[in-house]
Amino acid sequence: EIVLTQSPATLSLSPGERATLSCGASQSVTNNYLAWFQQKPGLAPRLIIYAVSRRATGIPDRFSGSGSGTDFTLTISRLEPEDFAVYYCQQSAHSPLTFGGGTKVEIK
Amino acid sequence: QVQLQESGPGLVRPSETLSLTCTVSGGSITSYYWSWIRQPPGEGLEWIGLVSYRESTNYNPSLKSRVTISLDTSNNQFSLKLHSVTAADTAVYYCTGGGGWLPDAWGQGTLVTVSS
Repeated sequence: EIVLTQSPATLSLSPGERATLSCGASQSVTNNYLAWFQQKPGLAPRLIIYAVSRRATGIPDRFSGSGSGTDFTLTISRLEPEDFAVYYCQQSAHSPLTFGGGTKVEIK
Repeated sequence: QVQLQESGPGLVRPSETLSLTCTVSGGSITSYYWSWIRQPPGEGLEWIGLVSYRESTNYNPSLKSRVTISLDTSNNQFSLKLHSVTAADTAVYYCTGGGGWLPDAWGQGTLVTVSS
């Protein structure tokens, strides 16, 4: 099983600031099958990035993903009020599919 | 974009079977891959398993002995059965779908509580 470790657990930032979220994998995530999801309270997760760096439909370009192998990053260039949420990385390269523990981006 | 909707009992007794159905609209159940994912209150996401459009299944080893996921092509639905539940199975259960294993479309989720 690929274990995904996200850091930090909580990120306290102000609107307009840059957010950098990390996701480390216990083994290589092959074929770039690494995605990021955003979850707001009471709602289902929403896909924002897939294949490491491709934005899902309707996702603004302030969201970007990068990385390869075992180290991945989600960057939000300028935080908007609607971006404060929990973010999960997820791998679909190997069964079982796994998620990271999440990073909460909160308003400072 | 397909839309998914979970349905089923919100309360299940310990040791009994949790049964949920996911109704798919805007796309055929005979395409794509269909998964169940759960989230205990206040916790992270756990993948339960998936069924493909060819009806092959793949389960999380941590739950494999208790899980069955199947397609109902006549009703464009897929289902989850989780046997011998305990309080640890209390969670919001999401059905998801995608062109591959990636769960890119999600239902709104349904809370299932295991309690006597």
